[in-house]
Amino acid sequence: ETGVTQTPRHLVMGMTNKKSLKCEQHLGHNAMYWYKQSAKKPLELMFVYNFKEQTENNSVPSRFSPECPNSSHLFLHLHTLQPEDSALYLCASSQDLRDYTEAFFGQGTRLTVV
Amino acid sequence: GQQVMQIPQYQHVQEGEDFTTYCNSSTTLSNIQWYKQRPGGHPVFLIQLVKSGEVKKQKRLTFQFGEAKKNSSLHITATQTTDVGTYFCAGWDNQGGKLIFGQGTELSVKP
Repeated sequence: ETGVTQTPRHLVMGMTNKKSLKCEQHLGHNAMYWYKQSAKKPLELMFVYNFKEQTENNSVPSRFSPECPNSSHLFLHLHTLQPEDSALYLCASSQDLRDYTEAFFGQGTRLTVV
Repeated sequence: GQQVMQIPQYQHVQEGEDFTTYCNSSTTLSNIQWYKQRPGGHPVFLIQLVKSGEVKKQKRLTFQFGEAKKNSSLHITATQTTDVGTYFCAGWDNQGGKLIFGQGTELSVKP
C-alpha cells in the first residue's frame, strides 16, 4: 500500500465508450501525475497538476481529459479511444514539484481498448 | 527538453551473478532517483542521490552519481530471484517541474 489508490484496476472499453479513471491519495501531497506505460516502452508523462492547477500537458491527444477537483483526487476521462491507447495508466503523487521529492505510484489501471 | 537514457534495456543473468544498469542525462541533474517495478506491479522508490560523486548502498545494491551529475549507475552484487523487475532512473526537469524517467532496464534472474 503506497497511499495512492487507483480504480478500477482493470478496464476493457470499446472505442465508442466513455470511461473515467480515478486516483486518490491520502499523503497530503500537492502534486499529482498521470503516466502511461505501454509494453516495451518507458513511462510516458501525460499530465501534471500542482495545487489543482495543470502545469504540464505532454502533447496528449484530446481524447484524454484530466480533472483535478482537489489536491487529493485526480481523474482521467477517456472517450473515443484507439486500440493503441491500451496500456497501464499510472497515477503518482509527490509533496510538490521541487526537485528533491520522490514520487509515490498507485497500482495502476490496466486499460484494454477493443 | 531534458532526456534520460538508460542501458541496457534487458539483462538476463544467472543467480549469483552481478548486474549493472547505467543512466545518462542530456543535462546536468540536481538529483537522480531510482525506482524498481516488479512484474505486474508499479514503480517503487528506492533511493535518491544528490551530491556529485555520491555513492549509497542498500544491502547488495550500490548506487552512484557521477562527478558531473549527468550519469548514474545501479549495481547489484550476487543477484537473487527477488531482484527480478525493471529498474528505472529518473531526474527532475527543473525548468518544467516534472520527473523524467529513463527507459528502464528489465532484469531477469535464472535460478
